[in-house]
Amino acid sequence: EAGVAQSPRYKIIEKRQSVAFWCNPISGHATLYWYQQILGQGPKLLIQFQNNGVVDDSQLPKDRFSAERLKGVDSTLKIQPAKLEDSAVYLCASSFAGTASDTQYFGPGTRLTVL
Amino acid sequence: AQSVTQLDSHVSVSEGTPVLLRCNYSSSYSPSLFWYVQHPNKGLQLLLKYTSAATLVKGINGFEAEFKKSETSFHLTKPSAHMSDAAEYFCVVSDHSGGSQGNLIFGKGTKLSVKP
Repeated sequence: EAGVAQSPRYKIIEKRQSVAFWCNPISGHATLYWYQQILGQGPKLLIQFQNNGVVDDSQLPKDRFSAERLKGVDSTLKIQPAKLEDSAVYLCASSFAGTASDTQYFGPGTRLTVL
Repeated sequence: AQSVTQLDSHVSVSEGTPVLLRCNYSSSYSPSLFWYVQHPNKGLQLLLKYTSAATLVKGINGFEAEFKKSETSFHLTKPSAHMSDAAEYFCVVSDHSGGSQGNLIFGKGTKLSVKP
């Protein structure tokens, strides 16, 4: 079974530039999550999708971050404009149903460096 | 609100000796608890999870954890450490509240070092 795919794996940009990350979840998984992991910390949820609808985006900085999952399968996360503090690893995860006991499967992440 | 506290930021053991990584949780609900491992430059991998069945949970690679409600703890153990166990370990509680079901709340992580 193929895992969660993410691209690119690494990205370096200047502050105030824009960047986009892509995620393809495990086939059949209805729920997709984006997490931000700052160096030395645990991941923090940015947004949760159930199929193509947003379930929770309360921790997404909406003035600069946006995300979509148009067909209920793959998803993109965009940052525009980027700030220095956005340097982090962006992790995508998926689960079958999105319940509290459901296992989330994580992709390898995209490491973003903002200069 | 749910939260987890990993009591040690760094644990160092010798190969072949027991491993103990400590975690305490706070939850208004009957929690779902997880341990994930993250090797350098690799994604997070599930070690084990507790979802209100048996309180002693066995995971992959010889790890196990015991859910103790009276102590609000979910410590991770392994009888004998291997060099390949060196990694960052995260204790995680799942959010049961309303529309945010399934959101994972991570601890700050414990870095495990294994000395030869």
